[in-house]
Amino acid sequence: DADVTQTPRNRITKTGKRIMLECSQTKGHDRMYWYRQDPGLGLRLIYYSFDVKDINKGEISDGYSVSRQAQAKFSLSLESAIPNQTALYFCATSDSKGRGRAYGYTFGSGTRLTVV
Amino acid sequence: RKEVEQDPGPFNVPEGATVAFNCTYSNSASQSFFWYRQDCRKEPKLLMSVYSSGNEDGRFTAQLNRASQYISLLIRDSKLSDSATYLCVSPPGNTGKLIFGQGTTLQVKP
Repeated sequence: DADVTQTPRNRITKTGKRIMLECSQTKGHDRMYWYRQDPGLGLRLIYYSFDVKDINKGEISDGYSVSRQAQAKFSLSLESAIPNQTALYFCATSDSKGRGRAYGYTFGSGTRLTVV
Repeated sequence: RKEVEQDPGPFNVPEGATVAFNCTYSNSASQSFFWYRQDCRKEPKLLMSVYSSGNEDGRFTAQLNRASQYISLLIRDSKLSDSATYLCVSPPGNTGKLIFGQGTTLQVKP
């Protein structure tokens, strides 16, 4: 099984619908992140959480909300989906107590979301 | 100015060539940097960490120039399988967040 699992892998939804993307991890990492990726714009941070009680907005949080249900679970919600939220969404984890300074991220496989 | 900037390319090189990518960063407090590799429609995967003057791993060498605030990735003896997008990543200060460049696309041709 993957260390970081995202569901669903692909989703098509209609404008105005509420949708939730889920992320779970078995790495025991304390930090979790949601990014979206658009062609030519790279990865942009939506929300991040350093522990269950610590949720922070990233650079593009408008139109999104998150919930950290447990250390291993971090979900992203689009309250009322719009077409410009069509993108590839990645969940990532990191360990604040990782060895040395190589605290790189581990990414999930991504959710391809299309809003029509 | 973006926090992390890369030349998007694409870089088209023949097999066996040596290719180098540069990445500039704006936050002088950044201590460590990363290069990630991303295949088409897949998740980014950590390629190398860079937190001193440089790091070497086989055909890959990453170097850090703090005075000029750039990092580079050198790939020697390019393989077809090296074709991917390479993301330069910087954590600003010690925030725990990673800021990604937009990526540099490499195409290695036979």
